[in-house]
Amino acid sequence: QQPVQSPQAVILREGEDAVINCSSSKALYSVHWYRQKHGEAPVFLMILLKGGEQKGHDKISASFNEKKQQSSLYLTASQLSYSGTYFCGTEGVGNTPLVFGKGTRLSVIA
Amino acid sequence: DAGVTQSPTHLIKTRGQHVTLRCSPISGHKSVSWYQQVLGQGPQFIFQYYEKEERGRGNFPDRFSARQFPNYSSELNVNALLLGDSALYLCASSLGGTGSEKLFFGSGTQLSVL
Repeated sequence: QQPVQSPQAVILREGEDAVINCSSSKALYSVHWYRQKHGEAPVFLMILLKGGEQKGHDKISASFNEKKQQSSLYLTASQLSYSGTYFCGTEGVGNTPLVFGKGTRLSVIA
Repeated sequence: DAGVTQSPTHLIKTRGQHVTLRCSPISGHKSVSWYQQVLGQGPQFIFQYYEKEERGRGNFPDRFSARQFPNYSSELNVNALLLGDSALYLCASSLGGTGSEKLFFGSGTQLSVL
C-alpha cells in the first residue's frame, strides 16, 4: 500500500528549514528516502530500519517511528541544490518490495 | 564503474504494439526492479527479479512481463500497448534484492504511446 507524503509541495528561501512526512497504514520494516531532480533518475539519500533510529546526511536527516509507521525527513539550512522531488519508499514486514509515495516537490529560491 | 544502463532512452509506439525495454545492472548486483513513473507521481513497482527468479510483482496487468538473464540484465515487455502505458520506465539494481538495500536507478526509458 502506497505511503502518504505531506506536504505535496513546499517553497523555501535559502537557509530555511523544512520537514517532509511519510506515513503508512501497514507495519514497516524500513523507510527509504530518495531525491529526484527534473529529468533525472531518483538518487538515494538514506535508509532507516525499524528500531526508531535517526540518521543524518550533511544537513539532511531523518527519523523513523515504527510504532506510528511514520518517517520524517528534515532539511536544515536549505541550499539551492536541495530543490527536487523527495520520495519516501516503504518496505513492509516480510521482505516486500519497496513502495514509493507520490512525492513532495521542494523548491529552494534565493 | 558503470551505473545502471537502460535502453532505449526514448521510444514512441502506437496503441496495440509491443515494446521491449532493457536494463543492465551495476556489476555485481544480482537484483533488478522495474518501476513505472507517470509525470508528477512516484515510481510504481512493477517487478523485481533476483537471481533470475521473480521475487515480486506489482499491481499491473498480464500485458506486462519481465525476465532476468544469467548475466543479471533484464527485459521488461509490454504487449498490446495502451495510451495509459505512456510513462517513464525506471530500472533499479541492488546487491541482494532485499527491501532494505539501497536502490541504484537508471535514467529510464521514456515511452510514448500514440
